This record gives sequence, C-alpha cells and structure tokens, in this order.
Amino acid sequence: DAGITQSPRHKVTETGTPVTLRCHQTENHRYMYWYRQDPGHGLRLIHYSYGVKDTDKGEVSDGYSVSRSKTEDFLLTLESATSSQTSVYFCALGTGELGGEQYFGPGTRLTVT
Amino acid sequence: GESVGLHLPTLSVQEGDNSIINCAYSNSASDYFIWYKQESGKGPQFIIDIRSNMDKRQGQRVTVLLNKTVKHLSLQIAATQPGDSAVYFCAVPRDYKLSFGAGTTVTVRA
Repeated sequence: DAGITQSPRHKVTETGTPVTLRCHQTENHRYMYWYRQDPGHGLRLIHYSYGVKDTDKGEVSDGYSVSRSKTEDFLLTLESATSSQTSVYFCALGTGELGGEQYFGPGTRLTVT
Repeated sequence: GESVGLHLPTLSVQEGDNSIINCAYSNSASDYFIWYKQESGKGPQFIIDIRSNMDKRQGQRVTVLLNKTVKHLSLQIAATQPGDSAVYFCAVPRDYKLSFGAGTTVTVRA
C-alpha cells in the first residue's frame, strides 16, 4: 500500500461519539475518495475531493463530512456515530484519467456499539 | 446515474480451469469500463480496463470482453490459480467517480 495510508486501521466507538478517519497520500494526486463497504452493497462513494478545500458528496453522504486542508490529507468525520455506520471504510486516490483507475488504501474497520 | 450489476454473486472454479465473470451496465453512453479485484482484508486493486471503441482487451491471464449491443462485459481468467480467489468488481467511471457492481466472489478449488 505504498503511497496511501489510513488511520486508524480499526476502531470501536460508542453511538453518539464523533469519529475522524484519516487518509494520507504521498503521491500528490488531486482526486481522493472515501467509500464504505458493506455486505451486499459493494463499494459506495461517501465523499470525494478534487483539490484542496474542494469536496463534493457521493451517493451515501448523510451523516458524514470531509475536509481537505492540504493535498496529502483527506479526513472523514462522523459527527455523531450511529450503528448503521458500522462498516469498512476505504480511501482511494484517483490515479488515472476520468477517475477510473483508483488506488485504494488498506481500509479502516469501524464498529459503532 | 449509472447502474452496474453482476450476474452471479459467487463462482466456484477448479484450479487450472478458466473463470468467467459477467457484468451488466445500464447507461449506453458509458465509454470506459474497469475490473477490480479485492482479496480478503485488502482494498480493491485495478486489474484491467477497456474503452468502448474496443471489443476485447487482454492482460496477463485476463481478458475483458465488451458487448455494447447488450451492455454487457465479462472478465475471463485463464488457468485459474489459488491466488485468484477474491471478489471481483466491474466499475464504470463517470465525472471522476466510480459506480461499482456488487461483486462476484470467486473461490478456487484445489
């Protein structure tokens, strides 16, 4: 997973607490993405960024916010975690044209109790 | 938006046989298609892509076929090996975002 890291890799938190997941790249790619992966749903886009301070919503953005204050870091925040947000979260870099070829991080397993 | 679906959620294949994974898409204007492989506990990994001006593209032991008439693509894996056990996704990029299918889990029998 050279070039992209996610932290933490595992987290257990309680309902109602705020949680921030971090994605860090060393590749200087413009596009970064946050996905969640749940059984039976494949990968679903939460938010993405196309530059510093430039972000947009994906198909499952409710309950999530993001920030990108510098090229290398893309943060995903759950303002008040709910059990439905228990999932595996993947960050990805857009490495090809049209955003098609994406390079994924190792994932963060989040459990909300 | 783009709807992407896979025909079979699971596929069991004998080691050494060929595997075929199918995918259907909804938007006839889609012009670029990608296959990803996800091994257990890891993030998805790009395998191969194909443009709509092609019907076939070959990689190392993998071939992708595109049938634009019926909006269908397939991934063929030759001489399937244990390391090919994974979930395979087709994906369609649009506006710098990817729409993924639900995935086909391939299990290789020894």
